[in-house]
Amino acid sequence: QVQLQQSGPELVKPGASVRISCKASGYTFTSYYIHWVKQRPGQGLEWIGWIYPGNVNTKYNEKFKGKATLTADKSSSTAYMQLSSLTSEDSAVYFCATVSGDYYYGSTWYFDVWGAGTTVTVSS
Amino acid sequence: DIQMTQSPASLSVSVGETVTITCRASENIYSNLAWYQQKQGKSPQLLVYAATNLADGVPSRFSGSGSGTQYSLKINSLQSEDFGSYYCQHFWGTPYTFGGGTKLEIK
Repeated sequence: QVQLQQSGPELVKPGASVRISCKASGYTFTSYYIHWVKQRPGQGLEWIGWIYPGNVNTKYNEKFKGKATLTADKSSSTAYMQLSSLTSEDSAVYFCATVSGDYYYGSTWYFDVWGAGTTVTVSS
Repeated sequence: DIQMTQSPASLSVSVGETVTITCRASENIYSNLAWYQQKQGKSPQLLVYAATNLADGVPSRFSGSGSGTQYSLKINSLQSEDFGSYYCQHFWGTPYTFGGGTKLEIK
């Protein structure tokens, strides 16, 4: 079945960058978008953007342009998100999500498969 | 950007009660809406897609309704496993904004 395996927790210093990964399995990696979502402690969900591994096209929430960079490696079926110039505001759990292919309606793919999340803590 | 206003922010209810959570979009999203449930420390789970369709395995006590800018998630006869947080998300153009969330707690 479709699964997303995310990398482990990260403790990084302010001003540094971090790259987290999301390894896909159970489907053709190049066929579906992978989305990234941020959740700060005790807060709601924010959509960061998507990458389409088939052609490596990306779409970002304007709020995260310059902060997040989405990439994908077809050879390893892995999506990556790099976060740069980290501050305490970037301390959060970051989820990747994709579709199983079961929930397509009216030209919209609804993502129903989520990774477990990667906790990024920014602290000196 | 489309804003999603979700209410209430929190709700304290008893097992067996019925609850309704609403999301109002800042413009017409033509039913391109999903609802998720999230338990503490876990990733969100898809409950409803395209405003009214239950995802596989979601109990029939859950139902989604709405159109245009107004959408609702109704849970009949709440069970203990239903407690957690709920979010709506629109899919009518990026950014795919989420509502602020509703935390459902046991009374």
